[in-house]
Amino acid sequence: ETGVTQTPRHLVMGMTNKKSLKCEQHLGHNAMYWYKQSAKKPLELMFVYNFKEQTENNSVPSRFSPECPNSSHLFLHLHTLQPEDSALYLCASSPGTAGSYTFGSGTRLTVV
Amino acid sequence: KQEVTQIPAALSVPEGENLVLNCSFTDSAIYNLQWFRQDPGKGLTSLLLIQSSQREQTSGRLNASLDKSSGRSTLYIAASQPGDSATYLCAALPSGGYQKVTFGTGTKLQVIP
Repeated sequence: ETGVTQTPRHLVMGMTNKKSLKCEQHLGHNAMYWYKQSAKKPLELMFVYNFKEQTENNSVPSRFSPECPNSSHLFLHLHTLQPEDSALYLCASSPGTAGSYTFGSGTRLTVV
Repeated sequence: KQEVTQIPAALSVPEGENLVLNCSFTDSAIYNLQWFRQDPGKGLTSLLLIQSSQREQTSGRLNASLDKSSGRSTLYIAASQPGDSATYLCAALPSGGYQKVTFGTGTKLQVIP
């Protein structure tokens, strides 16, 4: 484990379902991120939280809703997703605005 | 807008070879550059972080260099092993203290026993 834990590891959901992804870090980092990784594409930044405040929303559709209750936990709430949303969703954290990234193992999401 | 390119996209080498992976970036105003490896279906594991004031970093059989003026970084792997097989990604963090890292598309490495 890297210090950033993501659950679940795999998720299959229908287009009408509502589910949540969870990310937890106990590294004392202040910044947390959600990334989407699709096949043959670069990592896409979705959201950035710095000291629990959202500082970046990279034009992500509203069917993805992040939540950061404290600097150790980050959620991604999913609803009415599309099949093209199937991807590996990665959470990361960093000490601050210019530190090294630590990634979780990811959640493999399949939308059917 | 920063663009990060990794060449080649895929590489296959026999075990024991020394190899170099390349990373190019268009905007030299970076704060640091980080190299990661990713195993299939898994998250990213940090390998080396080079601050903009540094020229290189070493960890075991890995050596990463950074040349900001030319917009290039290289990852050198000595005496490659089958366990090195993975996708290697580089990521450029911009100056200005704002966390918006740009990742390359990666180089998929296969080391053949």
